[in-house]
Amino acid sequence: GQNIDQPTEMTATEGAIVQINCTYQTSGFNGLFWYQQHAGEAPTFLSYNVLDGLEEKGRFSSFLSRSKGYSYLLLKELQMKDSASYLCAGTDSNYQLIWGAGTKLIIKP
Amino acid sequence: IAGITQAPTSQILAAGRRMTLRCTQDMRHNAMYWYRQDLGLGLRLIHYSNTAGTTGKGEVPDGYSVSRANTDDFPLTLASAVPSQTSVYFCASSDNPEGTEAFFGQGTRLTVV
Repeated sequence: GQNIDQPTEMTATEGAIVQINCTYQTSGFNGLFWYQQHAGEAPTFLSYNVLDGLEEKGRFSSFLSRSKGYSYLLLKELQMKDSASYLCAGTDSNYQLIWGAGTKLIIKP
Repeated sequence: IAGITQAPTSQILAAGRRMTLRCTQDMRHNAMYWYRQDLGLGLRLIHYSNTAGTTGKGEVPDGYSVSRANTDDFPLTLASAVPSQTSVYFCASSDNPEGTEAFFGQGTRLTVV
């Protein structure tokens, strides 16, 4: 079957670093997306990994291991505005997105 | 219009009524999607269209229909609404279906009573 697993909720402190993990099982695999979604708003694109390794984009980095079916999103120098849900989505052999339920990240001062 | 726009923003609908959710994009994207988002569940694909004139069924298509008469518009119709269709509906588009960033509309919050 197809499945995306990520933690339901995480808490971190302003200024700290947090890693949000995602494991996936899809029929065929063509890459993994991370999106950010603030409460009551639409998801917005953060990153897309196709190859193994780490992709860095400012304070946010995303890692992929295809052999392990594993990805993580790393957020550095956390700010209060980073409080949001982070959605992991894998693409199957037809390039359709299979979405995780999202990880709600709570940032405390 | 800039990006992707949905209408209405929210709606309360009596069960059994017909309803069309509108979605328009001005980015000339080939692919468009309709998702529903329910608490505790991931986004679930209802229907999609890889290019104008074609549509396909997603994970949860029952009770919904779509059309793609042109590149810009992708309306979603509930033929006879039921309470289980209470959800937040997101329309999205991408340049092509093959692994490119999707842009989302602001969502339609639908309550069926």
